[in-house]
Amino acid sequence: DGGITQSPKYLFRKEGQNVTLSCEQNLNHDAMYWYRQDPGQGLRLIYYSQIVNDFQKGDIAEGYSVSREKKESFPLTVTSAQKNPTAFYLCASSTRQGAGNNQPQHFGDGTRLSIL
Amino acid sequence: AQSVAQPEDQVNVAEGNPLTVKCTYSVSGNPYLFWYVQYPNRGLQFLLKYITGDNLVKGSYGFEAEFNKSQTSFHLKKPSALVSDSALYFCAVRDSPSNTGKLIFGQGTTLQVKP
Repeated sequence: DGGITQSPKYLFRKEGQNVTLSCEQNLNHDAMYWYRQDPGQGLRLIYYSQIVNDFQKGDIAEGYSVSREKKESFPLTVTSAQKNPTAFYLCASSTRQGAGNNQPQHFGDGTRLSIL
Repeated sequence: AQSVAQPEDQVNVAEGNPLTVKCTYSVSGNPYLFWYVQYPNRGLQFLLKYITGDNLVKGSYGFEAEFNKSQTSFHLKKPSALVSDSALYFCAVRDSPSNTGKLIFGQGTTLQVKP
């Protein structure tokens, strides 16, 4: 079955620690996205990538970093600079968007990050 | 700037009754609109989209949505609600006119269907 796999499902971070959330897709999608979900605030875009070796900051990129070395993988690192990292993190992918191409994004089942 | 509003934090309906979850939008250019559903501790599942064409869009699980350009609305509807429809629903608009595929989400509406 094609889909998006996020791991781990639950993650705990100690103060001053960087942690990395994994996102892998086998849908052959070019574009990948990372969102943060907080209660009552909907989803906010952290980073996105439209093609391998290229990515752009979203609306709340501070304290986060990403890489896109392979088409299938888009890991997110939550750095110690992110002072309020407790949230539900969702990864998504889609075909590369362009004029006339409005395919929906497909989502993984998320990683819940908490502070120890 | 593009934006989406879901004016109700929660909608309560009885099983078997029709349901409506409201969404209004503000965009420059043509709106590309989406509805997603989220069950607890899960990712979002795509329900339906409006790109162009008929104002009534049919989607998954018996849901449909009505696009109204004059009222800038894209309300989600279902003729007969099921208890299993209870979930968190998100309306989203594509960040047009960029071609990044970025979506702007509303804050979500919790649908509670009671037996």
